[in-house]
Amino acid sequence: EVQLVESGGGLVQPGGSLRLSCAASGFTFSSYEMNWVRQAPGKGLEWVSYISSSGSTIYYADSVKGRFTISRDNAKNSLYLQMNSLRAEDTAVYYCARVRRRGYVGFMDYWGQGTLVTVSS
Amino acid sequence: DIQMTQSPSSLSASVGDRVTITCRASQSISSYLNWYQQKPGKAPKLLIYAASSLQSGVPSRFSGSGSGTDFTLTISSLQPEDFATYYCQQSYSTLRVTFGGGTKVEIK
Repeated sequence: EVQLVESGGGLVQPGGSLRLSCAASGFTFSSYEMNWVRQAPGKGLEWVSYISSSGSTIYYADSVKGRFTISRDNAKNSLYLQMNSLRAEDTAVYYCARVRRRGYVGFMDYWGQGTLVTVSS
Repeated sequence: DIQMTQSPSSLSASVGDRVTITCRASQSISSYLNWYQQKPGKAPKLLIYAASSLQSGVPSRFSGSGSGTDFTLTISSLQPEDFATYYCQQSYSTLRVTFGGGTKVEIK
């Protein structure tokens, strides 16, 4: 059974840092691209960052570029999101999601349960 | 960035109704369009990928259509468990994946 379990969320002050983790199991993690997606309270879904299966290709949303860093450890079946210089508008539930492709079309077929990040003084 | 516009933003419907949700892209995205369902407090769930392919395990009352800029998600006969928020998402631009604003389906 495919499982994605996020951890590391919590309350942090503006300007602070937090590192999210996503533990993957039930599939060959090293073969899959991954995304982080977030959802602010009462709002819609916002894509945050992408990493290729090898980690060699990385993309970020403009809203987090220069502040967040995505990484992965395929030996540990884990995905990470290092979040620095956090702002109130980063407050959200953060999901990790597996990317699958049919041809060139990518889609997120499995999602974790999410971890809540609250940025507040 | 490619903008995704969903309509309506919310709708009220009864069990058994046929429901249609529309998603429009700001430029052509071919068939790079996916649909997700999200219930309160839960993670999104993939329903449809590549515009019209039904994800394994998803009931056949869900269907997707369209290509280019205009797409539709249809629920042929609304069931109690279908009351949720639905999101479209384009993957044409891997550099900038974007979601629609969501459509909340409520009980009439």
